[in-house]
Amino acid sequence: GAVVSQHPSWVICKSGTSVKIECRSLDFQATTMFWYRQFPKQSLMLMATSNEGSKATYEQGVEKDKFLINHASLTLSTLTVTSAHPEDSSFYICSATEDSHRGYTFGSGTRLTVV
Amino acid sequence: KQEVTQIPAALSVPEGENLVLNCSFTDSAIYNLQWFRQDPGKGLTSLLLIQSSQREQTSGRLNASLDKSSGRSTLYIAASQPGDSATYLCAVKTSYDKVIFGPGTSLSVIP
Repeated sequence: GAVVSQHPSWVICKSGTSVKIECRSLDFQATTMFWYRQFPKQSLMLMATSNEGSKATYEQGVEKDKFLINHASLTLSTLTVTSAHPEDSSFYICSATEDSHRGYTFGSGTRLTVV
Repeated sequence: KQEVTQIPAALSVPEGENLVLNCSFTDSAIYNLQWFRQDPGKGLTSLLLIQSSQREQTSGRLNASLDKSSGRSTLYIAASQPGDSATYLCAVKTSYDKVIFGPGTSLSVIP
């Protein structure tokens, strides 16, 4: 079945630094990938839609300059949290689908802690 | 705007009981509905996917139904086990290719 790999699984960084999270579709090509954020005891909130070869589409309230998304190939999307602050600490999950008729496969998530 | 709710928010049952989790959505124009399981601090595991044209899907002890017209889906878990303890999320795919998640139901199965 479709597999999505996300790396790293956890990261601790200092305030003001940037962190890059990778999302890879291992056995299929994904023209579209999605990035979600989940705060403790809350559901997943869609942050942005990552489109291969074009700019990402951000949800309302998500800062484009803070959360940089690059979808450089059909199997890789990256999310860079720039100038991270403690309030950016959260669980970030990516997802992709092999085709629109199937469900979505999610990465294992990245726990970001900004100190 | 599509909104997804789940009832109950938390549920605790003794091992062996059958249980039902509920998911409601406000806009019936969905592409499909998917049930996920999330263990603490982990990613999501897909349990069942129901296309908009389907009424139900079954996998082992799990059965999910979909009633698009009323905006409801249920996840039925038979003969619950302690290993079923997790948060269960339902998510609908909208016609705009977005996936909207419900808040989840936290399930505890007591041995």
